[in-house]
Amino acid sequence: KNEVEQSPQNLTAQEGEFITINCSYSVGISALHWLQQHPGGGIVSLFMLSSGKKKHGRLIATINIQEKHSSLHITASHPRDSAVYICAVRSEYRNKLVFGAGTILRVKS
Amino acid sequence: KAGVTQTPRYLIKTRGQQVTLSCSPISGHRSVSWYQQTPGQGLQFLFEYFSETQRNKGNFPGRFSGRQFSNSRSEMNVSTLELGDSALYLCASRGAGANVLTFGAGSRLTVL
Repeated sequence: KNEVEQSPQNLTAQEGEFITINCSYSVGISALHWLQQHPGGGIVSLFMLSSGKKKHGRLIATINIQEKHSSLHITASHPRDSAVYICAVRSEYRNKLVFGAGTILRVKS
Repeated sequence: KAGVTQTPRYLIKTRGQQVTLSCSPISGHRSVSWYQQTPGQGLQFLFEYFSETQRNKGNFPGRFSGRQFSNSRSEMNVSTLELGDSALYLCASRGAGANVLTFGAGSRLTVL
């Protein structure tokens, strides 16, 4: 079993829909990252969380440390949100990033 | 300020050759980490450097090595290239006391 599991693997949504991507992990962590990767490879760090909730524009990220679970929400989705979203955790003891397999999001207009 | 710069962006090598990739972090950032991304394995951590010292290493063979210079620029080297080393190699930098990473655009290596 992978240390970081994301769901769904693929997601297609209509423009304007509310989107949720989930991340579950099995190790103790010091931080969790949500990353966005557009075709062509460039990765952008969206959020870094160690507790609670963060919001940036239409993006919201939450984390529940006790349940070892995080969610990334996109409100009023737009075709430009189409990308791969990757969850990564910084392992508490090994202090290195472990990545989920990513969620491929396509938002249709 | 300038972002993280990786060179070269694309390169093609043949099996058995060696390759060196370069990463210039954001000015003032002293931590540089390297990652390999392949369709089959996804993103995997290679190593992390801080102030010229390797702080952490992923599960890669000894053919993969790296170093960091006094100006925080980092290089990674892969010797005796194999077909499976074809990948996008990404580096990221972060500032002191920060966990937020800034990624470079990557170096796409093709091994023939």
